[in-house]
Amino acid sequence: GPKVLQIPSHQIIDMGQMVTLNCDPVSNHLYFYWYKQILGQQMEFLVNFYNGKVMEKSKLFKDQFSVERPDGSYFTLKIQPTALEDSAVYFCASSLALRLSNERLFFGHGTKLSVL
Amino acid sequence: AQKVTQTQTSISVVEKTTVTMDCVYETRDSSYFLFWYKQTASGEIVFLIRQDSYKKENATVGHYSLNFQKPKSSIGLIITATQIEDSAVYFCAMRVMDSNYQLIWGSGTKLIIKP
Repeated sequence: GPKVLQIPSHQIIDMGQMVTLNCDPVSNHLYFYWYKQILGQQMEFLVNFYNGKVMEKSKLFKDQFSVERPDGSYFTLKIQPTALEDSAVYFCASSLALRLSNERLFFGHGTKLSVL
Repeated sequence: AQKVTQTQTSISVVEKTTVTMDCVYETRDSSYFLFWYKQTASGEIVFLIRQDSYKKENATVGHYSLNFQKPKSSIGLIITATQIEDSAVYFCAMRVMDSNYQLIWGSGTKLIIKP
């Protein structure tokens, strides 16, 4: 079936550094999402993105976070600067339509971010 | 407030049996959508099944079915004829119609299928 690819699978960085998480969504999908999962806890919504704009973001989407998808390239989540509490697994997801609220999301395998 | 609660942290059953995982939700909206996803050991998150709140019939897909009890705000997942490969963490999630776009997730239930 359709696949969402996330690169890298694991990233280790020092606190205060910048990190960019990359996502290659399903090719014909229009809506993109980032979710955060701290080990053993539930998934939490960060942000969704459509047509070059952030549609909605949660309280977890701090000012240090930004997303973009330049034409034909990855959908990225950038954190600058990183903090210890940013350590988590970040999942990218995509969907074809958003206004259909019953639309399923396709998820990547996640990028484990370890901030030291 | 909107919330999804899974009280079972872990369930262990013998393969080929039937298992039910519980999920209750809170919302004031009259229209909403309930999802179950599975997260495998590799971290992959896979969509399993969906229930639309306006549908009375319980959704069924393969060996997954739902026990939708709207008055109780409950959406249980039933897996029949379990297999070893069903071992995973199962997440219940909710999306409210015409409201925000995010999925609200439960904390997950770890299912262990024993031979």
